[in-house]
Amino acid sequence: DVKVTQSSRYLVKRTGEKVFLECVQDMDHENMFWYRQDPGLGLRLIYFSYDVKMKEKGDIPEGYSVSREKKERFSLILESASTNQTSMYLCASSYSTDTQYFGPGTRLTVL
Amino acid sequence: QKEVEQNSGPLSVPEGAIASLNCTYSDRGSQSFFWYRQYSGKSPELIMFIYSNGDKEDGRFTAQLNKASQYVSLLIRDSQPSDSATYLCAVTSDSNYQLIWGAGTKLIIKP
Repeated sequence: DVKVTQSSRYLVKRTGEKVFLECVQDMDHENMFWYRQDPGLGLRLIYFSYDVKMKEKGDIPEGYSVSREKKERFSLILESASTNQTSMYLCASSYSTDTQYFGPGTRLTVL
Repeated sequence: QKEVEQNSGPLSVPEGAIASLNCTYSDRGSQSFFWYRQYSGKSPELIMFIYSNGDKEDGRFTAQLNKASQYVSLLIRDSQPSDSATYLCAVTSDSNYQLIWGAGTKLIIKP
């Protein structure tokens, strides 16, 4: 079974803090994705990576950066958290253009 | 802009009946089609994928694809209260590794 884990299920941060969200997959998948999900807006792609050290912007990259130093690990960084970044953050991984498998999600609240 | 459209619902179906969920997509180059189920507060999980025109059955679930009409559907037979969830339709983009996501249909199975 594919396993995708995320560093925290719930996180509360203050405005202006730097926030790290980490995702690890154990299936040697090439592709990894970061989404945010808000009520009524569905899944929105922030960034994705198709190889180590490679990254592509998704639909809403502003205010975020990513890092992929190892194949199994993909980090999302909020350089200076803002209240409008309060959301559910979902990491996913896939092999080629196939099925995406999701981690359990991190519910981030920025106060 | 490549889009996937779903009726947001809620779709209310009596227990034991057939639930029919529909999805249309705009990108004629899409090759793979996915249905995910998402319980409230949880991450999406794959139910089925379909690549070819026609029907694909897996237990109580049947996915139907009509590429000419750019239409994919999910039928759930003998609906159970545990099927109550939001169902997300996703299709591959012909240009990269991404999936294009619908906003989801909320399904409620009434005992």
